[in-house]
Amino acid sequence: GENVEQHPSTLSVQEGDSAVIKCTYSDSASNYFPWYKQELGKRPQLIIDIRSNVGEKKDQRIAVTLNKTAKHFSLHITETQPEDSAVYFCAASTGTYKYIFGTGTRLKVLA
Amino acid sequence: GAGVSQSPSNKVTEKGKDVELRCDPISGHTALYWYRQSLGQGLEFLIYFQGNSAPDKSGLPSDRFSAERTGGSVSTLTIQRTQQEDSAVYLCASSVTGTSAYEQYFGPGTRLTVT
Repeated sequence: GENVEQHPSTLSVQEGDSAVIKCTYSDSASNYFPWYKQELGKRPQLIIDIRSNVGEKKDQRIAVTLNKTAKHFSLHITETQPEDSAVYFCAASTGTYKYIFGTGTRLKVLA
Repeated sequence: GAGVSQSPSNKVTEKGKDVELRCDPISGHTALYWYRQSLGQGLEFLIYFQGNSAPDKSGLPSDRFSAERTGGSVSTLTIQRTQQEDSAVYLCASSVTGTSAYEQYFGPGTRLTVT
């Protein structure tokens, strides 16, 4: 069945450094890739998404890249800050309601 | 405007009891989803409602789990004869529609503990 693998499961970076989280999907029909951030004890919230007709999307310090050939996409956070500490989930969808989520990456930004 | 709300926020129940979890989606959202998040795990899809269409129940883990959505708005997830492995955070989400991939807005979740 469809599957999304996410790595790493935990990531610690020094404040100001960059963080990269990678996801690989199995369904080649996937065309929508959202990223959600979940702070401790809070609900997941969408931070950025990308559709398969583009290869990269940026929003301030956050960017997502997509490689359709390799079936993987990545989240890049530059100039990390303590408030970036959270669990990040990637997901893949074939363009409908069904999201397949990755298992999450716990990012710790060390001051 | 108001976001997705869920109640209760926490529920502790004894093994074998039934529980009901409630979700109020964002007004006007036709799509509603239930997910389960176990400790340190990802988001496991349970069930999806879209308007008056038949729900997608493919993610429900057993026949002890059921859900309904009355009047196209509020939804209730019911777990019968709860087991310890049912302990998790149950998240509800809604989106404008489910016929295309749109942002899903999550509620704060209900933390269920089965003792």
